[in-house]
Amino acid sequence: AQSVTQPDIHITVSEGASLELRCNYSYGATPYLFWYVQSPGQGLQLLLKYFSGDTLVQGIKGFEAEFKRSQSSFNLRKPSVHWSDAAEYFCAVFLGFQKLVFGTGTRLLVSP
Amino acid sequence: SAVISQKPSRDICQRGTSLTIQCQVDSQVTMMFWYRQQPGQSLTLIATANQGSEATYESGFVIDKFPISRPNLTFSTLTVSNMSPEDSSIYLCSVEQGNTGELFFGEGSRLTVL
Repeated sequence: AQSVTQPDIHITVSEGASLELRCNYSYGATPYLFWYVQSPGQGLQLLLKYFSGDTLVQGIKGFEAEFKRSQSSFNLRKPSVHWSDAAEYFCAVFLGFQKLVFGTGTRLLVSP
Repeated sequence: SAVISQKPSRDICQRGTSLTIQCQVDSQVTMMFWYRQQPGQSLTLIATANQGSEATYESGFVIDKFPISRPNLTFSTLTVSNMSPEDSSIYLCSVEQGNTGELFFGEGSRLTVL
């Protein structure tokens, strides 16, 4: 069955340090991939998306993600984390027919 | 990108009552989606609402419990009926940008059932 795995439930990063959030998917074809961020008390905001082409995609707020077909991964990165990046991050896979499957999320904590 | 407004943003309800959540979009959209996010969990699709037809429910969700209206191309409601504490969740409305899976979300309605 199609699934999205975010193996890290919580991650704590020092402000200014680099960040990588992991996402693996299980899907037969090359999917459309997304990263969303949910700040406390807010809805979800799209950070970036991958449909095709260049496997390194740039998003908002200085985030980027790299699609690796061989590893079925779409990890999110940021070179220098800011305190305002503390939030919940969701990876998602579009399966077609209006089916968007979300991972379980990774909560990012930023320490001073 | 679409701007989506949800009301109420939060509510505390008594067991056995029902609550209707409204979702307004600033542009006409074909499909609207209702998601549930239980505490500490990811998002689960409840149903897809098309204008002029009955909503399509995902496995585990039924119309009697979550009736949905879609009277026009910019508005939808989700009712959570006969609530129990297990219905305490954030309910999110969303719309899709093209047929690509890119969704725009409202800020959600945080429901607490006592």
